[in-house]
Amino acid sequence: QKEVEQNSGPLSVPEGAIASLNCTYSDRGSQSFFWYRQYSGKSPELIMSIYSNGDKEDGRFTAQLNKASQYVSLLIRDSQPSDSATYLCAGSDFGNEKLTFGTGTRLTIIP
Amino acid sequence: DTGVSQNPRHKITKRGQNVTFRCDPISEHNRLYWYRQTLGQGPEFLTYFQNEAQLEKSRLLSDRFSAERPKGSFSTLEIQRTEQGDSAMYLCATRPTSGGEETQYFGPGTRLLVL
Repeated sequence: QKEVEQNSGPLSVPEGAIASLNCTYSDRGSQSFFWYRQYSGKSPELIMSIYSNGDKEDGRFTAQLNKASQYVSLLIRDSQPSDSATYLCAGSDFGNEKLTFGTGTRLTIIP
Repeated sequence: DTGVSQNPRHKITKRGQNVTFRCDPISEHNRLYWYRQTLGQGPEFLTYFQNEAQLEKSRLLSDRFSAERPKGSFSTLEIQRTEQGDSAMYLCATRPTSGGEETQYFGPGTRLLVL
């Protein structure tokens, strides 16, 4: 059973609109969550980290965490063609070093 | 560029051959991780080191795989008797243990193709 679930997409969003990416996790021990962006053929690049319930904003990106619902999301405002990539959600347990990744959501921003 | 480097970037080998990959971490990062990523999947954890000590190994890491970090700096991942199923991107990530930073920073990866 996968521990981190993402809709694989593809998700298509018009340029300038809000892209909403979702992730659920099954392990209630998970404490820390990360969103990575991965361009085709490249390695994952950190977008956001979130450790507490609520929202965390960084520029055009907002991460949301709801531990009661075991749900993490990433909002991208004013989407740009350069945001087209696969977005990976990952979680880790307190004291457990490994990151558990979802399969990723492929996002395409349509000009 | 995160400051984590990996070599080689690409490796093509024939089934049955041995291959070795190298990861050079960000200098002050004493935790180092290896992940494997196949097409359409997220990275899967293989193993990690705290300085030179290998502290956890995944069940994915069969006895054909071995990883070392002899002086707590660079790390190597060796695959013996490669199989076609070993074809994947091998990713190294590092992070510091001080300052409360939990983010793992990934290197560019080594893409392995086993023919």
